[in-house]
Amino acid sequence: QVQLQESGPGLVKPSQTLSLTCTVSGGSISSGGYYWSWIRQHPGKGLEWIGYIYYSGSTYYNPSLKSRVTISVDTSKNQFSLKLSSVTAADTAVYYCAREVVSYDSSGYFDYWGQGTLVTVSS
Amino acid sequence: EIVLTQSPDFQSVTPKEKVTITCRASQSIGSSLHWYQQKPDQSPKLLIKYASQSISGVPSRFSGSGSGTDFTLTINSLEAEDAAAYYCHQSSSLPQTFGQGTKVEIK
Repeated sequence: QVQLQESGPGLVKPSQTLSLTCTVSGGSISSGGYYWSWIRQHPGKGLEWIGYIYYSGSTYYNPSLKSRVTISVDTSKNQFSLKLSSVTAADTAVYYCAREVVSYDSSGYFDYWGQGTLVTVSS
Repeated sequence: EIVLTQSPDFQSVTPKEKVTITCRASQSIGSSLHWYQQKPDQSPKLLIKYASQSISGVPSRFSGSGSGTDFTLTINSLEAEDAAAYYCHQSSSLPQTFGQGTKVEIK
């Protein structure tokens, strides 16, 4: 059974960088056929896809956040990470990591999710 | 960016009733449309993949249909445990996007 677990500070000051790590267990992040994604949910709101990384290191970021986002992978630790710079109160949200099963046409669906971690941006 | 519009935003339903939630895409996405259920304080759970494909372990009362721009999630004979928010998600085109969600309340 694959499990994902987010970790990182729950409180970040405005203008600083939000940093989260997702640890994957029960499966190798290096096995092909999966993208590893970050998704966030503002309080009481819907879901926003932030971006994904493949085990090789290739990434795609949502254009709405692209200038501030970096997603990286550490295959030796079976982890991938999110950095979001220059945060404001608008970045306060629950952040989820998720595994996306990728099809031949590069489309996919999220079959495993972390439990989510609330990050609050406040001084 | 492809916009997904769900309707209704909210539905109050009695147990055993049939629930229909629609998701309309701003442009054709083939069958790359997936449905998730999110209960309060939980992470989303995959219900249906590729518009109509069932997921192991998901009750058979959940079904999906549609292609192109119009999709439907149907819950036959609603149960109390189905109280949740439901989201559609498209992966046909980047960036991937979600519908705004439909909250289902049990009367």
